[in-house]
Amino acid sequence: GESVGLHLPTLSVQEGDNSIINCAYSNSASDYFIWYKQESGKGPQFIIDIRSNMDKRQGQRVTVLLNKTVKHLSLQIAATQPGDSAVYFCAERYTGNQFYFGTGTSLTVIP
Amino acid sequence: GAVVSQHPSRVICKSGTSVKIECRSLDFQATTMFWYRQFPKQSLMLMATSNEGSKATYEQGVEKDKFLINHASLTLSTLTVTSAHPEDSSFYICSALGTSGGGYEQYFGPGTRLTVT
Repeated sequence: GESVGLHLPTLSVQEGDNSIINCAYSNSASDYFIWYKQESGKGPQFIIDIRSNMDKRQGQRVTVLLNKTVKHLSLQIAATQPGDSAVYFCAERYTGNQFYFGTGTSLTVIP
Repeated sequence: GAVVSQHPSRVICKSGTSVKIECRSLDFQATTMFWYRQFPKQSLMLMATSNEGSKATYEQGVEKDKFLINHASLTLSTLTVTSAHPEDSSFYICSALGTSGGGYEQYFGPGTRLTVT
């Protein structure tokens, strides 16, 4: 149950377009998932969460989709803004409240 | 909202010395804190789970004698990197488990950049 230390995939989108960031998680027993945003040199910032008994949850401009069959999460950001440029991580919770982070995706918004 | 601080935010030390990093929950009590490390352009890797009043639980592959964790109170956990080497240079991030909406939420600190020369 460890995150994989691979180099970050990147995604570039035009300002105003929608962004979709994907994440594959590893443990089929994970019951809770969180998307985090991390800006350079800072700690992760909570964006949105979803429990395993749901398949979709919406927030302000963000939507998280959960597909437990294929162990896949996605984060959709509507009308992407330059301030959304950051690295995005999904995290899954195992038993015992430990969270394990996915590889992450670097999002760049082009003005 | 729940705030977690880390001190120092940046530290440079010489190879062979030890460095202590503090993680504090400022406005809530946290029986559980977590320590992560993050290399450039990589993900956060969980190092250990720190429980107040008991020994930390380390993830596989993390040397407990090298990364000493002490959770002496409900608001403070410390990580000491002993006999630091250049390969220990990394971004160390702590988080504290607090209650939120009937469940638990993990609140992250701002991180500590360690450079070992």
